[in-house]
Amino acid sequence: QQQVKQSPQSLIVQKGGISIINCAYENTAFDYFPWYQQFPGKGPALLIAIRPDVSEKKEGRFTISFNKSAKQFSLHIMDSQPGDSATYFCAASRGYQKVTFGTGTKLQVIP
Amino acid sequence: KAGVTQTPRYLIKTRGQQVTLSCSPISGHRSVSWYQQTPGQGLQFLFEYFSETQRNKGNFPGRFSGRQFSNSRSEMNVSTLELGDSALYLCASSQDSLNTEAFFGQGTRLTVV
Repeated sequence: QQQVKQSPQSLIVQKGGISIINCAYENTAFDYFPWYQQFPGKGPALLIAIRPDVSEKKEGRFTISFNKSAKQFSLHIMDSQPGDSATYFCAASRGYQKVTFGTGTKLQVIP
Repeated sequence: KAGVTQTPRYLIKTRGQQVTLSCSPISGHRSVSWYQQTPGQGLQFLFEYFSETQRNKGNFPGRFSGRQFSNSRSEMNVSTLELGDSALYLCASSQDSLNTEAFFGQGTRLTVV
């Protein structure tokens, strides 16, 4: 019940295109859903996060879409740039409990 | 504001040895979490400390332990190292762990030979 399933494992997108990464969770008690971006040799950095009382959150070119009934959430990167090439992790947590991470998506944006 | 500092950055140890990793959180942050990152298993939660108390624990054997000091700095220890313990160990700090942003350090790359 603590799993967070993330897909795809890897993604290649052309510059200017839309990158979409999907996550599904099982535990309906999760109430915080962050996305992290990790560059090689660096620790993950928080990109954007959402709580289940909203269906969408946008920050610049990054948007989280949240579907509570389907227990799914996704990250959309609009106008993808080569600098967005990184590994993206979705995550979920509840209250003070541990954060459960997805398995990661390696995104490559080609010029 | 200084970020999360982990030391050392790289470490090579022999099977059977023990190792201690250190994490200095962002000033004012009281929660420190530790994660193991490997290509096969992704980010796996080890444990979380808040105000010197272990508040959450992941599914790792007892060889993995940690502690937090009164200044919120944290250490994790791995005893009787195994080859499978080779990984990037990440520390994250937050003001508290209740759905607040966690800031990660750059990690300690541990290689067990």
